[in-house]
Amino acid sequence: ETGVTQTPRHLVMGMTNKKSLKCEQHLGHNAMYWYKQSAKKPLELMFVYSLEERVENNSVPSRFSPECPNSSHLFLHLHTLQPEDSALYLCASSQDRVGNTEAFFGQGTRLTVV
Amino acid sequence: GQNIDQPTEMTATEGAIVQINCTYQTSGFNGLFWYQQHAGEAPTFLSYNVLDGLEEKGRFSSFLSRSKGYSYLLLKELQMKDSASYLCAVRDPPYNNNDMRFGAGTRLTVKP
Repeated sequence: ETGVTQTPRHLVMGMTNKKSLKCEQHLGHNAMYWYKQSAKKPLELMFVYSLEERVENNSVPSRFSPECPNSSHLFLHLHTLQPEDSALYLCASSQDRVGNTEAFFGQGTRLTVV
Repeated sequence: GQNIDQPTEMTATEGAIVQINCTYQTSGFNGLFWYQQHAGEAPTFLSYNVLDGLEEKGRFSSFLSRSKGYSYLLLKELQMKDSASYLCAVRDPPYNNNDMRFGAGTRLTVKP
């Protein structure tokens, strides 16, 4: 148990569906992250929120939309996804974004787009 | 370009020692992390190095050479439960304002 909780653990969705992933941390951390983990590829940073403000990441398609309503919660809204978006989506948090601050990860949502 | 390279897979025997290497080429450097990830579970923090040298934590040690862009994770007295993926990550200040870049991970299998 890392203190970061993600729901759901597994999700199967069609390409026309809209769904949301949820992440929650009660560690008092100021930064939260969404990562995409595909087989045999590096963890890919998608979005960062620091003190509830979003750090832009222009390489993520607009079919992924993050939301950070408060410092403890982070959402990833999904719509009109493609099969290549199937992956493990990991949420993480850290006290801040300075050098020695490690990230605490949730167990991830295994997403399958059909 | 920005690269963090690790071997894809390694196999070792229970009770032995294994060294997992990581080389990096990044625009900046503000520390290197090692994480362990068991199948289906969250990555968990193992170590952090920012200065050259060896950091020891029980059976696990991590080494850093900044001039060579090189780190390794040393696992001693291997146990079956050490079978997992090991992720190397570098804090790169020009990257998204000091966020971590990850390697693809090394899948370690420990055999009896």
